[in-house]
Amino acid sequence: DTAVSQTPKYLVTQMGNDKSIKCEQNLGHDTMYWYKQDSKKFLKIMFSYNNKELIINETVPNRFSPKSPDKAHLNLHINSLELGDSAVYFCASSHVSRGRGIYGYTFGSGTRLTVV
Amino acid sequence: AQTVTQSQPEMSVQEAETVTLSCTYDTSESDYYLFWYKQPPSRQMILVIRQEAYKQQNATENRFSVNFQKAAKSFSLKISDSQLGDAAMYFCAYRSPQGAQKLVFGQGTRLTINP
Repeated sequence: DTAVSQTPKYLVTQMGNDKSIKCEQNLGHDTMYWYKQDSKKFLKIMFSYNNKELIINETVPNRFSPKSPDKAHLNLHINSLELGDSAVYFCASSHVSRGRGIYGYTFGSGTRLTVV
Repeated sequence: AQTVTQSQPEMSVQEAETVTLSCTYDTSESDYYLFWYKQPPSRQMILVIRQEAYKQQNATENRFSVNFQKAAKSFSLKISDSQLGDAAMYFCAYRSPQGAQKLVFGQGTRLTINP
């Protein structure tokens, strides 16, 4: 069973189109994240949801809209795609610990988005 | 805001030898977590090792160990007996225990293993 699954793995689309990436986790984690990895491999957080509540919204264009129907799912919708949106997008999940626990993230396998 | 710096964009090592990847970070917090992630060509992000800042003992996982120097804000990764399968991008990451606890990543180090 895949712990964090993203679909699709590859997405090629034209400028101006609208596309969605889906993410699901079966680990029972309470928090999910979207990260963007640019062409230089730098990973930067975009959004985070904790139990369906948006808790992180970094400086991301309004064309990007996350949606979390339940705590096991976090989707990313992108409107009016631009060339600069080409990147690898990673979904991840984790527990948010309030005690002395240590939790890493579990990542999905990434979605390579190419805008042409 | 916390920052993580990996000053070595690329490193190479002969198979079976030892290599150390550097990482420094900046924070005003006293309690936090540090991680090393591996990203092979398959693109998958794989957790290699983790360290809690309140623990003085350095973490080890088989051939992987860290040198955690809290005062110097340094967190290096040592890979012993390097294997061809260790070739990958390696990312150092910081996680705060406060707020949303996001992971902040360094720029990454590309490790090449020479046979």
